[in-house]
Amino acid sequence: DGGITQSPKYLFRKEGQNVTLSCEQNLNHDAMYWYRQDPGQGLRLIYYSQIVNDFQKGDIAEGYSVSREKKESFPLTVTSAQKNPTAFYLCASSSRDTDNEQFFGPGTRLTVL
Amino acid sequence: GNSVTQMEGPVTLSEEAFLTINCTYTATGYPSLFWYVQYPGEGLQLLLKATKADDKGSNKGFEATYRKETTSFHLEKGSVQVSDSAVYFCALVDSGGYQKVTFGTGTKLQVIP
Repeated sequence: DGGITQSPKYLFRKEGQNVTLSCEQNLNHDAMYWYRQDPGQGLRLIYYSQIVNDFQKGDIAEGYSVSREKKESFPLTVTSAQKNPTAFYLCASSSRDTDNEQFFGPGTRLTVL
Repeated sequence: GNSVTQMEGPVTLSEEAFLTINCTYTATGYPSLFWYVQYPGEGLQLLLKATKADDKGSNKGFEATYRKETTSFHLEKGSVQVSDSAVYFCALVDSGGYQKVTFGTGTKLQVIP
């Protein structure tokens, strides 16, 4: 089955450590996205990528970094510069072939202790 | 820039009640419109979509009509169930340029037996 996967589901890190969240899709989508969601809040865009080897900052990119070396993969690194990294992180992908509908992964809940 | 405005939640309804969640938008061009649903601890799932004016999207008893004259895409369901309790997000993708999505802030629905 085609889909988008994120791992791990839950992640715990000590303050000051960098951590990388995985996102993989086998939908052959060109575009991929990372969102942050805080309790009771909407989605905020961190980074997005429309093609391999290219990505753009979203609304809250500070303290985060990404790479897009393969079409299928769009990992997000939460660096120690991110002041309040504890949140629920959602990855998504889309294609113009399906009206730019976003397909979401199950999310990773990051807790920084 | 683009924007999506949803009615504030939470919305609490009794089972079998009629549901309306209002959504209005501001966009250049002719956007595609979406409703997504998020159950606790999960990613978002597409509920329905409409890609041009006067289109009606429908799924699982939910409906929404793309009204260009009022720039609205209100979500309705004739008879809600307890299992419909979730957070609902209205979203748009602009017709031109890149595939960036604009989300509303989400409306939490609680259905009580």
